[in-house]
Amino acid sequence: NAGVTQTPKFQVLKTGQSMTLQCAQDMNHEYMSWYRQDPGMGLRLIHYSVGAGITDQGEVPNGYNVSRSTTEDFPLRLLSAAPSQTSVYFCASSSLSGGARQTQYFGPGTRLLVL
Amino acid sequence: AQTVTQSQPEMSVQEAETVTLSCTYDTSESDYYLFWYKQPPSRQMILVIRQEAYKQQNATENRFSVNFQKAAKSFSLKISDSQLGDAAMYFCAYGNYGGSQGNLIFGKGTKLSVKP
Repeated sequence: NAGVTQTPKFQVLKTGQSMTLQCAQDMNHEYMSWYRQDPGMGLRLIHYSVGAGITDQGEVPNGYNVSRSTTEDFPLRLLSAAPSQTSVYFCASSSLSGGARQTQYFGPGTRLLVL
Repeated sequence: AQTVTQSQPEMSVQEAETVTLSCTYDTSESDYYLFWYKQPPSRQMILVIRQEAYKQQNATENRFSVNFQKAAKSFSLKISDSQLGDAAMYFCAYGNYGGSQGNLIFGKGTKLSVKP
């Protein structure tokens, strides 16, 4: 059981470049989300989705775009990378029903460096 | 808006001893979830323990237990018989029961060191 997978593990971008961080889960979870982790800041929510075709903004959505065409996949797009987007990005998923509802399972993270 | 505060940026414990990590939160909701996540140097976020606010009984998972004080909005984590592998960042998190359910609000973390 793979759980939540993320690719790539590490990426270097130049300012202004665009890229997509991939996230997939095989647990049939309705809910998926993206967080960024910066030193001393904990994890902050970027975007989330409660099902295919439904997305919404979190606390820090500017500069990022998401879509959810399937239950399994939730890619995060950086439209024009900026040094302020240097961070570690985590994808997470959870069920919205049942005994384990709300418990989020995290991917291994993607470390992004924007020069 | 809900907030989560971890007032101890760093803590240290001797191997085999007990340590308690503090967490307070602010919410006007009566139903919600609370979590402790562990992040070792590998950066993987690992669920340690989960508490549902409507349950009065404190959650326990092996050497890990919580002291959940709903009226005081306090949710501390106790690690008993500390092991070297417990060294990590620990994050407290809050989740709503309804509305924006699924979204978690994290504290800034406590770095735990374990001395042999």
